[in-house]
Amino acid sequence: QKEVEQDPGPLSVPEGAIVSLNCTYSNSAFQYFMWYRQYSRKGPELLMYTYSSGNKEDGRFTAQVDKSSKYISLFIRDSQPSDSATYLCAMSATDTGRRALTFGSGTRLQVQP
Amino acid sequence: DAEITQSPRHKITETGRQVTLACHQTWNHNNMFWYRQDLGHGLRLIHYSYGVQDTNKGEVSDGYSVSRSNTEDLPLTLESAASSQTSVYFCASSGERDQETQYFGPGTRLLVL
Repeated sequence: QKEVEQDPGPLSVPEGAIVSLNCTYSNSAFQYFMWYRQYSRKGPELLMYTYSSGNKEDGRFTAQVDKSSKYISLFIRDSQPSDSATYLCAMSATDTGRRALTFGSGTRLQVQP
Repeated sequence: DAEITQSPRHKITETGRQVTLACHQTWNHNNMFWYRQDLGHGLRLIHYSYGVQDTNKGEVSDGYSVSRSNTEDLPLTLESAASSQTSVYFCASSGERDQETQYFGPGTRLLVL
């Protein structure tokens, strides 16, 4: 079983829809949670970063972490065609010096105009 | 502007050949990472380095090696290329102040025939 599970999609939604992307994990040592966005044939770029449990909002994006359920989510409001990309969750644990990340396999999102 | 670059961007080689992929960053980051990305597996950590002369094995290190002789560069060597090493390779770096934020290069597409 992988440490981090993520539905690969593809997830296809109409423009303006609310998108929900999710990851589950098994390692209770994970403390730092990130979402990266990766456009086709590009390197991933950091979108959101959250420490421990709770919510974080940045514009149209909201990241949620529920450590009791080992479940994290990324919500995209008013989705745009430019949001079409692969979204990867990533996590790190304090006992590994924090710096090495474990990634999910990524969810491919398509926003239809 | 600071950046992270990879070369070559595309490489075709034959089974058994030694291949070296270059990664160069101008962020002056201590932490550097190599990942491979394959369909269904997301990003998997190959090797990482927390500073000059420091190297560590990641999840999928067999058949790969790295060396860190300066802050800016972390070349990845495939000692004897195998078809199973056909993949997209990403280099990343992070700084001490914000260690969870990894900055990724554009990737190298490697095909081993």
